[in-house]
Amino acid sequence: DGGITQSPKYLFRKEGQNVTLSCEQNLNHDAMYWYRQDPGQGLRLIYYSQIVNDFQKGDIAEGYSVSREKKESFPLTVTSAQKNPTAFYLCASSAAPPNYGYTFGSGTRLTVV
Amino acid sequence: KNQVEQSPQSLIILEGKNCTLQCNYTVSPFSNLRWYKQDTGRGPVSLTIMTFSENTKSNGRYTATLDADTKQSSLHITASQLSDSASYICVVINNNAGNMLTFGGGTRLMVKP
Repeated sequence: DGGITQSPKYLFRKEGQNVTLSCEQNLNHDAMYWYRQDPGQGLRLIYYSQIVNDFQKGDIAEGYSVSREKKESFPLTVTSAQKNPTAFYLCASSAAPPNYGYTFGSGTRLTVV
Repeated sequence: KNQVEQSPQSLIILEGKNCTLQCNYTVSPFSNLRWYKQDTGRGPVSLTIMTFSENTKSNGRYTATLDADTKQSSLHITASQLSDSASYICVVINNNAGNMLTFGGGTRLMVKP
């Protein structure tokens, strides 16, 4: 089945550590996105990529990094510079034009311990 | 600034009853509006997609309306079921390049037996 897979579902991070969240899609979508969701708030865009080897900062990129070496994969690294990383992280992908075929993954819940 | 406001923030109804969720937006230029259902700890799943020329669209017990003049949308749920308990997110897409999605904060619906 075509879809978008995020892993792990739950992730725990110690203070000062970097962690990487995985996002893989087999929908042949060109664009991929990372969002952060906090309780009671709308999704906020961290980074997005519209093509391989290219990505752009979203509204809250500080403390995060991404790479897009393959069309299918868009991993997100939460660095130690992100002061409040505990949140629910959602990956999404879309076809071109980007306002069609927008699909979300099932999310990763990151907790700082 | 592009904004999407949803109301109410939360809602409790009895099983079998109907309810209506509201979404007001100031996104421009408008491309389309989507309603998503998000179960706790899961990614959002699309319910409806409405373009500028569509006033009403149904998906089973879910009916979305759009008034592009007043920039308002509603999601009506008929004969609610316990499985309707979730957050409902209104998303408006514009035609600008880059980040084209603006998310509302969601309405958390709880259906009680």
